[in-house]
Amino acid sequence: AQSVTQPDIHITVSEGASLELRCNYSYGATPYLFWYVQSPGQGLQLLLKYFSGDTLVQGIKGFEAEFKRSQSSFNLRKPSVHWSDAAEYFCAVEKDNDMRFGAGTRLTVKP
Amino acid sequence: NAGVMQNPRHLVRRRGQEARLRCSPMKGHSHVYWYRQLPEEGLKFMVYLQKENIIDESGMPKERFSAEFPKEGPSILRIQQVVRGDSAAYFCASSPRQIYEQYFGPGTRLTVT
Repeated sequence: AQSVTQPDIHITVSEGASLELRCNYSYGATPYLFWYVQSPGQGLQLLLKYFSGDTLVQGIKGFEAEFKRSQSSFNLRKPSVHWSDAAEYFCAVEKDNDMRFGAGTRLTVKP
Repeated sequence: NAGVMQNPRHLVRRRGQEARLRCSPMKGHSHVYWYRQLPEEGLKFMVYLQKENIIDESGMPKERFSAEFPKEGPSILRIQQVVRGDSAAYFCASSPRQIYEQYFGPGTRLTVT
């Protein structure tokens, strides 16, 4: 069955530290890949997307993600986290117009 | 270009009442998606519509829930005879075409008392 897994429910990092949020998918072929961020009480905002081409994708707010076909992963990274990055992050995959979201990773940023 | 708009932002209904959630997609977008988010959970797909057509409703509960996207006007998600378990945030997203990123509205938070 097609699925999206975000193994980490909650991550805490110190401000200024690096960040990596994991995302794995289970699909028969490479789907389209997305990362969204949701601030409390808000809708989802697209951070970045991968359709094809360069496997390292740059997004907004200093985020990037790397698609690794061999690992079926699309991990989100940021070299230096800011307090304003505290939010819920969702990985999503789309194949044949079937869009699935991971359960989300809540990021807490310590001062 | 205004983003996806949803109203109301907050809706309180008593058990047994009807809830109507509205979604106006971004200008030029003809594809609309509805998702439900329960507390502490991710988004669950409910239904995908194009103008006047339901394309995929595989995530929609079989009873009490319906959705439409008329030729004119917003998309409507309708929940009849609401129950406490319907309390959730309902998000609408739109896209200009298939296989494209979706743009999300701010959500409607439904509380059933």
